[in-house]
Amino acid sequence: ELKVEQNPLFLSMQEGKNYTIYCNYSTTSDRLYWYRQDPGKSLESLFVLLSNGAVKQEGRLMASLDTKARLSTLHITAAVHDLSATYFCAVSGTYKYIFGTGTRLKVLA
Amino acid sequence: NAGVTQTPKFRVLKTGQSMTLLCAQDMNHEYMYWYRQDPGMGLRLIHYSVGEGTTAKGEVPDGYNVSRLKKQNFLLGLESAAPSQTSVYFCASSSLIQGYGNTIYFGEGSWLTVV
Repeated sequence: ELKVEQNPLFLSMQEGKNYTIYCNYSTTSDRLYWYRQDPGKSLESLFVLLSNGAVKQEGRLMASLDTKARLSTLHITAAVHDLSATYFCAVSGTYKYIFGTGTRLKVLA
Repeated sequence: NAGVTQTPKFRVLKTGQSMTLLCAQDMNHEYMYWYRQDPGMGLRLIHYSVGEGTTAKGEVPDGYNVSRLKKQNFLLGLESAAPSQTSVYFCASSSLIQGYGNTIYFGEGSWLTVV
């Protein structure tokens, strides 16, 4: 059974600091996704990682994938308040996507 | 572009009542999904469909039924609503592009309260 775990579940950080969110999954998959959700809103796609060693960056966010370790990371550089949101990783199995529990990020001014 | 549209957006039900959530997508996607989101639980897959006329169970299918009579529509039914089904429901769709992976697109969500 495919399971996805994220940590931490909650993250409160100061503006300007760096931090990493971790996403572990239980079975072989070579496709991993990161999404952002603002309160009361839907989910917005951030990154699609398709192969081992894949790295993608958008602004202050950088995502990477290690399929051998079954681990993806979402690194936040010099956090700003606008990054406050909940971040989800998801892994695709056969025809379906399984999501992690999410990491609620709060960036303090 | 409309993308994925869910109706209704808000609904309050009494225990034992039935209702149907409608999801429509205009992207000609093969795959469609229903998730529920609860605090601290992330998104959990209820049912999914890989094409018109097909459905399959996800992680938490009990108490729900689905139908995919048309490619663009995916209906989620609650036959006898229970307070435990109070949640935010998200419909999503995707289409596999070989070698490029696929992004799953979400609707805006349906807030359901069962009292």
